[in-house]
Amino acid sequence: SQTIHQWPATLVQPVGSPLSLECTVEGTSNPNLYWYRQAAGRGLQLLFYSVGIGQISSEVPQNLSASRPQDRQFILSSKKLLLSDSGFYLCAWSAGGGGSYGYTFGSGTRLTVV
Amino acid sequence: GENVEQHPSTLSVQEGDSAVIKCTYSDSASNYFPWYKQELGKRPQLIIDIRSNVGEKKDQRIAVTLNKTAKHFSLHITETQPEDSAVYFCAASGGGSNYKLTFGKGTLLTVNP
Repeated sequence: SQTIHQWPATLVQPVGSPLSLECTVEGTSNPNLYWYRQAAGRGLQLLFYSVGIGQISSEVPQNLSASRPQDRQFILSSKKLLLSDSGFYLCAWSAGGGGSYGYTFGSGTRLTVV
Repeated sequence: GENVEQHPSTLSVQEGDSAVIKCTYSDSASNYFPWYKQELGKRPQLIIDIRSNVGEKKDQRIAVTLNKTAKHFSLHITETQPEDSAVYFCAASGGGSNYKLTFGKGTLLTVNP
């Protein structure tokens, strides 16, 4: 069966520090991968998505970047964190190859920038 | 691109009552409509989904209906229980970028015992 791992679960970082969040998927090949942020309140904001290795699409221009160095690995990074980067970060995957499928979300990383 | 509107933003019901959450979408090419439940501090989890070739789908106490002509779909929860309290998100995909889900803004459902 497929599983998605996301870490760390919580993170407190000072303003101006770098960030690296990692997400890996097991049990499937060529998944579509996504990074979402959920700020105070409830909305799910799509940050990046990837349909293959090295293919990254950005939805919202901001202080963050994403990379997909391997088929089942998705990394969210920042060189210098801002206070506004605080939030709940969720990685998700769906079946690739076209067509519409539901997402499976990772357990999330709660980031607090101080 | 796709736009999904969700109503109401908050909903409070008494235990045992029914709850209905409604969503509308803008892209007539969308063909997949999932619903997610997110409990406080946890990840969203898929609870039910429907595709455009089906008008209604039911799973125990939850059901989803789809009206393609009107471009709206709804989540129905019957015999609500306190553990149904959560934020519910609707979503749509299948248009031009058929691998992306567009989410509604969520409905906070509170079931009062």
